Amino acid sequence: DVKVTQSSRYLVKRTGEKVFLECVQDMDHENMFWYRQDPGLGLRLIYFSYDVKMKEKGDIPEGYSVSREKKERFSLILESASTNQTSMYLCASSFSGFQETQYFGPGTRLLVL
Amino acid sequence: GENVEQHPSTLSVQEGDSAVIKCTYSDSASNYFPWYKQELGKRPQLIIDIRSNVGEKKDQRIAVTLNKTAKHFSLHITETQPEDSAVYFCAAYSGTYKYIFGTGTRLKVLA
Repeated sequence: DVKVTQSSRYLVKRTGEKVFLECVQDMDHENMFWYRQDPGLGLRLIYFSYDVKMKEKGDIPEGYSVSREKKERFSLILESASTNQTSMYLCASSFSGFQETQYFGPGTRLLVL
Repeated sequence: GENVEQHPSTLSVQEGDSAVIKCTYSDSASNYFPWYKQELGKRPQLIIDIRSNVGEKKDQRIAVTLNKTAKHFSLHITETQPEDSAVYFCAAYSGTYKYIFGTGTRLKVLA
């Protein structure tokens, strides 16, 4: 059974703080993704990674960075949190190759005050 | 850029009735279309998917149809039950590892 875990379910931070969200998968997946989920906007891709130390920008990368030092771990970093980054953050992973199913983590609900 | 439009945004049906959710995609190169169900407070989970070489796929009470010419695909749930209440997302695989998601449909099944 695929397991994708995220470091926190709920997080409250202050404007300007540096925020780390971590995602770990145990299925040896090559691909990992960070999405942001907002009401009425669905899931929007922030960044993805197809290999260790590799990263690609998604649709809304501004204000975010990522790190993938190990295959199983993909971190999302908010360098200086802002109130418009209050959202639900979902991590996902999949095998490489064509049309592979994505498996999601439970999500981190981030509130920036 | 590529996008996926999903309708309706909310849908209420009586228990036992059918529910249909529709998605339209813009990238004609899209060739894989998964559907995810997200129950309240839980992660999205894949419930069914379809590839572009197939027009319809069924799994018990759930079916998905694809019309490549119209760039349109739909989720059909028959004999709905209260546990079908959730938010449903469609997605289109847009190449280079990228999925474009619809905005979601909140389905309520009324007992």
